[in-house]
Amino acid sequence: GNSVTQMEGPVTLSEEAFLTINCTYTATGYPSLFWYVQYPGEGLQLLLKATKADDKGSNKGFEATYRKETTSFHLEKGSVQVSDSAVYFCALTGSGGYNKLIFGAGTRLAVHP
Amino acid sequence: SAVISQKPSRDICQRGTSLTIQCQVDSQVTMMFWYRQQPGQSLTLIATANQGSEATYESGFVIDKFPISRPNLTFSTLTVSNMSPEDSSIYLCSVDDTGGLAEAFFGQGTRLTVV
Repeated sequence: GNSVTQMEGPVTLSEEAFLTINCTYTATGYPSLFWYVQYPGEGLQLLLKATKADDKGSNKGFEATYRKETTSFHLEKGSVQVSDSAVYFCALTGSGGYNKLIFGAGTRLAVHP
Repeated sequence: SAVISQKPSRDICQRGTSLTIQCQVDSQVTMMFWYRQQPGQSLTLIATANQGSEATYESGFVIDKFPISRPNLTFSTLTVSNMSPEDSSIYLCSVDDTGGLAEAFFGQGTRLTVV
């Protein structure tokens, strides 16, 4: 079945540093890929998505490119802020379509001033 | 998009008791999903709830422990039965986007602590 392997955290960065959180996947077919963010004490929010190979999802300065050849969907941001401190989850659609999501383990990001 | 309201937002319960979590959506949706997020871990799908039929449970989850109701297209409940401390988790309700955007929306979650 489909699965997601996500970079383990926690990741600790200084403000304005460059961020990369690695995500690789195994899947049959052509899943959609997502990054969700969970801020402290809150639910999950969709950060960005990509539905086909070579698509780039972007939002709030974050980007991720759907790389079929390397089965990856790494999350990047050029300059992080303290407000980006959260847990980030990589996810993909299961074999049942986009209504069943398979999540990575999550990566906690802490950004310090 | 969809706005999802979950109740309660948090609760502390005694072992052996049951808690019912409610999920209300502001639009009609075909399927609703219940996830569990154990402390420090990722989300795991518990079951899929269709209106008018029994929920479909994922491996490792059973109806006797997590009965689900889906009385209409905007509402669902998840009950955590005969609770033990191992059931302490965040439980999240989710729905598909109905506008073809291929994304899921989540409620704020219910933080359950069993003592």
